[in-house]
Amino acid sequence: KNQVEQSPQSLIILEGKNCTLQCNYTVSPFSNLRWYKQDTGRGPVSLTIMTFSENTKSNGRYTATLDADTKQSSLHITASQLSDSASYICVVSAAGGGADGLTFGKGTHLIIQP
Amino acid sequence: ETGVTQTPRHLVMGMTNKKSLKCEQHLGHNAMYWYKQSAKKPLELMFVYNFKEQTENNSVPSRFSPECPNSSHLFLHLHTLQPEDSALYLCASSQERSEGDEKLFFGSGTQLSVL
Repeated sequence: KNQVEQSPQSLIILEGKNCTLQCNYTVSPFSNLRWYKQDTGRGPVSLTIMTFSENTKSNGRYTATLDADTKQSSLHITASQLSDSASYICVVSAAGGGADGLTFGKGTHLIIQP
Repeated sequence: ETGVTQTPRHLVMGMTNKKSLKCEQHLGHNAMYWYKQSAKKPLELMFVYNFKEQTENNSVPSRFSPECPNSSHLFLHLHTLQPEDSALYLCASSQERSEGDEKLFFGSGTQLSVL
């Protein structure tokens, strides 16, 4: 059964600090992995997509990594801001599966304190 | 704004009520989806429509009835719901249902409470 596990479940850090969120998956055959950000009271918004051949990709202060061998991904946030407070959801796509072939993690709830 | 609008934002209903959730996308996409998001659980896919045709019903109880009159509009009709159906219902769209690399654009959701 395809699964996506995210850790930690929740995280509190001070503004300006860095943090790293983890995503481990057992989806096969792997197609791609996306990180979504979900603000309170909003729907998820895509931050980045990682394909099999990509190891690192940055989007501003967000840097995602992918290790396809160990089936792990991370999302690193640099110099956190209050607006980074949100849930971050890892979503892994199985090849040929379409949107119904997506496996969602439960998310990491991140709180940035001033 | 993501280009996907959901109404109402909040809904409280009794178990004997009938209500409908509405979703509209302004992105020119051809696929639309309903997801259920419960606390501390992953998003659960409910229904998929591709070019107005329902392509997936993920074993959803019949008290949830989707309707897709065109590629821009999607409804979820609710009747005789149970308290455990209380959740955030998210609508999403994508260019089309394809091979899994499509990006989903979500609405802000309808927070549903069933009393």
